Amino acid sequence: AQKITQTQPGMFVQEKEAVTLDCTYDTSDPSYGLFWYKQPSSGEMIFLIYQGSYDQQNATEGRYSLNFQKARKSANLVISASQLGDSAMYFCAMREGVTLRTTGANSKLTFGKGITLSVRP
Amino acid sequence: KAGVTQTPRYLIKTRGQQVTLSCSPISGHRSVSWYQQTPGQGLQFLFEYFSETQRNKGNFPGRFSGRQFSNSRSEMNVSTLELGDSALYLCASSPEVLDTWTDTQYFGPGTRLTVL
Repeated sequence: AQKITQTQPGMFVQEKEAVTLDCTYDTSDPSYGLFWYKQPSSGEMIFLIYQGSYDQQNATEGRYSLNFQKARKSANLVISASQLGDSAMYFCAMREGVTLRTTGANSKLTFGKGITLSVRP
Repeated sequence: KAGVTQTPRYLIKTRGQQVTLSCSPISGHRSVSWYQQTPGQGLQFLFEYFSETQRNKGNFPGRFSGRQFSNSRSEMNVSTLELGDSALYLCASSPEVLDTWTDTQYFGPGTRLTVL
């Protein structure tokens, strides 16, 4: 089974509007972190936002927020007030078996296939 | 603090050759992971090195290998290159202990390998 599923192949949004990028995950580990990365055409991976499995509140970071629904195993990224510079690939990723402030952290990230977001002027 | 650096940024090789890519992690980070990104397969985990030891390995053939030096710098090697090895190779570094989730992996700019 896919550990990270991103089914939207491409998304279009009008500038200044909000957009939601979907991500569902699968893990039996109670300790995990979920992350969203942005990858522009240059190829660099830009870290956007994270959510720990024990976090009670949904994460927010500027125009980015993460709609975390643990029971449904979903971690959707919401981008408010889209900008032309938001056009890029967006990847959802998970790091399993990791607890904060413990040694021996497993560094492996499992990625979804990614979603292409295009912002229209 | 300097970020993760990768060299070279671009590389063109022919089938059958071998290639070595280099990654220098953020100062103080002891874990280095490598990923291969292709249009067809997406981002796939190659391996992780921690304190000069391979700690985790993805599902890649033995032609893909790596190592880590005492200063945490890492190299990955691909022998007998195939056309399908054309990809963006990303390196990421991580501290041994995560104080916050933002301590998660920092990525380098990548090495774009083209195999002709």
